[in-house]
Amino acid sequence: AQTVTQSQPEMSVQEAETVTLSCTYDTSESDYYLFWYKQPPSRQMILVIRQEAYKQQNATENRFSVNFQKAAKSFSLKISDSQLGDAAMYFCAYRSPHYTGNQFYFGTGTSLTVIP
Amino acid sequence: DGGITQSPKYLFRKEGQNVTLSCEQNLNHDAMYWYRQDPGQGLRLIYYSQIVNDFQKGDIAEGYSVSREKKESFPLTVTSAQKNPTAFYLCASSIRRGDRMNTEAFFGQGTRLTVV
Repeated sequence: AQTVTQSQPEMSVQEAETVTLSCTYDTSESDYYLFWYKQPPSRQMILVIRQEAYKQQNATENRFSVNFQKAAKSFSLKISDSQLGDAAMYFCAYRSPHYTGNQFYFGTGTSLTVIP
Repeated sequence: DGGITQSPKYLFRKEGQNVTLSCEQNLNHDAMYWYRQDPGQGLRLIYYSQIVNDFQKGDIAEGYSVSREKKESFPLTVTSAQKNPTAFYLCASSIRRGDRMNTEAFFGQGTRLTVV
């Protein structure tokens, strides 16, 4: 089974600053999908950004961007101009696109605190 | 509005009782999933279903059972065989296109189960 590792249980950032959350994964597949989810105190899981492995260009969504390093199996999330509403748990996730074994694999999460 | 509805939001169970958590989606998604979330352990897959009348065990299926009689519904029963059922449970769904399931998971708001 694929494994997803988030080595930073907790991170903090000053409001308006930039923070990078790390994620590594293990897979033998060449085609797959990666995601970052946000879970605020309400515990609703919200998709932040996704990356298709066959695309070399890093995905961006407004203040959120990723650094996808396929050879290194690394998928970090950069949050620019951090806002108080960014405070949440962030989960990195992996998914195979194929019919078999297509479940999502999640990391253990990084708790982000935004300091006013 | 389309989405996933989990009920109840909070559930209390006496030891030795079976309880059923409801998950309904109106997104016309084929695949549905149940995850358990414990502090520091991320999301762990309990069961998933890719099509009506079919489901597969995830990593921690012992003590749980599911059914998928309708596309819209994927209830989870926590049986008395589950020794430590107190946790937060998340239901999710995703679309399927041919043999490539290449989209993100959409999540319900979760059910907090407590054994009393």
